[in-house]
Formats: sequence, structure tokens, C-alpha cells
Amino acid sequence: AQSVTQLGSHVSVSEGALVLLRCNYSSSVPPYLFWYVQYPNQGLQLLLKYTSAATLVKGINGFEAEFKKSETSFHLTKPSAHMSDAAEYFCAVSEEWGAGNMLTFGGGTRLMVKP
Amino acid sequence: KAGVTQTPRYLIKTRGQQVTLSCSPISGHRSVSWYQQTPGQGLQFLFEYFSETQRNKGNFPGRFSGRQFSNSRSEMNVSTLELGDSALYLCASSPKARTVNTEAFFGQGTRLTVV
Repeated sequence: AQSVTQLGSHVSVSEGALVLLRCNYSSSVPPYLFWYVQYPNQGLQLLLKYTSAATLVKGINGFEAEFKKSETSFHLTKPSAHMSDAAEYFCAVSEEWGAGNMLTFGGGTRLMVKP
Repeated sequence: KAGVTQTPRYLIKTRGQQVTLSCSPISGHRSVSWYQQTPGQGLQFLFEYFSETQRNKGNFPGRFSGRQFSNSRSEMNVSTLELGDSALYLCASSPKARTVNTEAFFGQGTRLTVV
């Protein structure tokens, strides 16, 4: 069975500082990994996805994530936080066979950006 | 291209009633998935439909059901509502079902409150 753990339900950074949101996964097969962002009263928007093509994945809004198989991690980073990055971020995993488009989500990390 | 449309956006129901939520996927998308989001349980997969057939089902009681029509529009129904069913219900659509690295596009959700 697959699972996702996001360390830190709340992360606070200053504007301009590095953003690091942690995600560890458990999967019995090579996974497909995703990061989604959710703004208040909105649905989920895809930031980036890992599909085994490259371990360093670049997404929208300056975010990127690195797949590390040995650490079963897929941490999300952004060099310089902006006030508009304040939102909730979800890491998700999908296995290759039989799962269709079923996503298993982590518990989410709420990012707060201080001026 | 129009996004995923969920109706209604907000709904208030009384315990014991039933409710039907609607999801219109992006034009051309044939896979529709439903998720429940609550503060306590986070994002949980409900079910996925592809070409009018349920392909996957999450761990929810039989009170939760869904269907998909020939035009790919989907509905989910919750019968005998309980207070714990209060949640944001998200619908996601994807072009295909078998390629799990395909991005899922989410709607803005339906906020259901059970009183």
C-alpha cells in the first residue's frame, strides 16, 4: 500500500527566504509523485509531477522538487518565498499499476510567509 | 478551455437527508475522480469513474455512491447524511485512466455542511 508523510503541518518563512516543504512516500512499486497547492476556498492546482523522466523536476511559480529514491523523498523547494506563496501544499503519490488516477495525499503543509 | 465545474459550490443539509453533487469534467476528459477533504482526515479518495464504469473505490461506507454519464459528467450521492459528512468534496478529471502520470485537474469543490 502506498502512503505519504509530510513533515510539518505548518511552515513559516520570511519573504525572500528559502521554502522547503518535506514529503516522504512509501510505495511498493516505482511511484508517480505530485505536488499540489490549494488556496483558501479553492480546489487543487498541480505544481509539478515526477514521472521517472528526471529526478529534478521544475514546476510552476518557481517551485522545484527532487526525487530521491534512496531516501524515499520528494521535497518541494523554492529559492525565494513570495507573499503569494502562502497556501496549503499537498504531496501525493500514485502507483503505476491498477490505481488508475487514484491519488494518495499527505496531510498537507500550510505555508505562511511573513513580510 | 473550461475547467472542471462543480455544482453547487455550497450546500447545507440536515442529518438524515440525502444529497447529490455534480461534476462536469474538462471537455474530452473521460476519467473523473472524487475526493473528500476534512480537517481531521485530510484528502481521501472516494471513487473513480472511466467510461461510465467505476474503476476504483476508496474506503467509504455504502452511503457514498456515484455514477458517470455518457458525456463523462459525474454525480456523487450521499444518503442518510451524518454530521461527519461535512466536508469539501473535490472532483478531478483526467484525459485517460490507465496512464497514472496524467495530471488530474481539480474543480473548486462543493462545500457540504450537515446540521
